Amino acid sequence: DAGVTQSPTHLIKTRGQQVTLRCSPKSGHDTVSWYQQALGQGPQFIFQYYEEEERQRGNFPDRFSGHQFPNYSSELNVNALLLGDSALYLCASSFKPTYEQYFGPGTRLTVT
Amino acid sequence: GNSVTQMEGPVTLSEEAFLTINCTYTATGYPSLFWYVQYPGEGLQLLLKATKADDKGSNKGFEATYRKETTSFHLEKGSVQVSDSAVYFCALSDFNAGGTSYGKLTFGQGTILTVHP
Repeated sequence: DAGVTQSPTHLIKTRGQQVTLRCSPKSGHDTVSWYQQALGQGPQFIFQYYEEEERQRGNFPDRFSGHQFPNYSSELNVNALLLGDSALYLCASSFKPTYEQYFGPGTRLTVT
Repeated sequence: GNSVTQMEGPVTLSEEAFLTINCTYTATGYPSLFWYVQYPGEGLQLLLKATKADDKGSNKGFEATYRKETTSFHLEKGSVQVSDSAVYFCALSDFNAGGTSYGKLTFGQGTILTVHP
């Protein structure tokens, strides 16, 4: 049983560019959450998708947007990249009733 | 709002030493509490959890007890191994205004544990 997968593993972008990160949830999971983990910090919740809609959102600007597809996979988009967006982006999948979060290995984004 | 505070790190121990990593939390309701572990270059793995007061979570020799009166969830292990070297995160999942959690996690800043042979 494949766990949560994310692509790409690493990414280098320039300030002002746009980036798309991808996540495939664990089999049987229908909810996807995204977290940003800056170097030396704990992960911070960005948003959560369920039934192809954003259900919850953390304290992140509108430059961060997402999408969920009918097969439950998800994308995280970040526009107008800033140096401060450099971080490890983690995807977590879950299902009710426990909503226990299963994390993927993450995508390391570097903005130069 | 919700918050999690972990002890200042990093923590360096010799193999077979006793481990304690302190964690305290602030939450509006009755959260579920978690410890996650992150090995170098990897994502987060759930280590243990507790969903109500006085519950004890345990896994791989690690334990933590949900203490509502002190709002704490300290991680302990009686005898650490070199393979336990990792970053440990305390986290909580609380309920929103509608009374549903949906699993959203609030994390502490993490504690780096290094175990020497």
